[in-house]
Amino acid sequence: DQQVKQNSPSLSVQEGRISILNCDYTNSMFDYFLWYKKYPAEGPTFLISISSIKDKNEDGRFTVFLNKSAKHLSLHIVPSQPGDSAVYFCAASADAGNMLTFGGGTRLMVKP
Amino acid sequence: GAVVSQHPSWVICKSGTSVKIECRSLDFQATTMFWYRQFPKQSLMLMATSNEGSKATYEQGVEKDKFLINHASLTLSTLTVTSAHPEDSSFYICSAMRLAGWNEQFFGPGTRLTVL
Repeated sequence: DQQVKQNSPSLSVQEGRISILNCDYTNSMFDYFLWYKKYPAEGPTFLISISSIKDKNEDGRFTVFLNKSAKHLSLHIVPSQPGDSAVYFCAASADAGNMLTFGGGTRLMVKP
Repeated sequence: GAVVSQHPSWVICKSGTSVKIECRSLDFQATTMFWYRQFPKQSLMLMATSNEGSKATYEQGVEKDKFLINHASLTLSTLTVTSAHPEDSSFYICSAMRLAGWNEQFFGPGTRLTVL
């Protein structure tokens, strides 16, 4: 049973537009969420995180929104750049120091 | 800061041999390290949690006698794939957890294992 789901395996966006990547979870014990970016044959790179006490966290072009009642989070990238093309994983944990459960990933392609 | 390295980055071995992968936290101490496995076009799957000075905790379905994990120091954890077979070919990634405010995991660059 997948506790963290990314229902869109891929997403294509035009450069300069907004990219919205979605993630849903089922475990109500999750209270810390992270987004990672991954290039082929490389380890994931941390992008941004959010704890359950917040509903929004912003860092430059990246904003993560959390809707606890819907058990849904999203990553907004604006404006999107070709260098953002990668696979994005959302991850969740039951506390900040606990193991991470990853979603299946969404491949983002930003076209020039 | 917060750099994690893995060695080797790429290894090819014959079926039946053992392969050791090292994971090092270069500029911080990590009491906990995690080992993940990624199959092509699939997500990261946690294999085991490694705590310094104690036995690793393996996830369900992961053979502890096949995937030996040693976390002998606060900066080094090793994963040994024993008697490797072609189905063990995969991309293995470690992460190290830094105790600083929110406990953060930092990922290594991964090791591509190909078993012939």
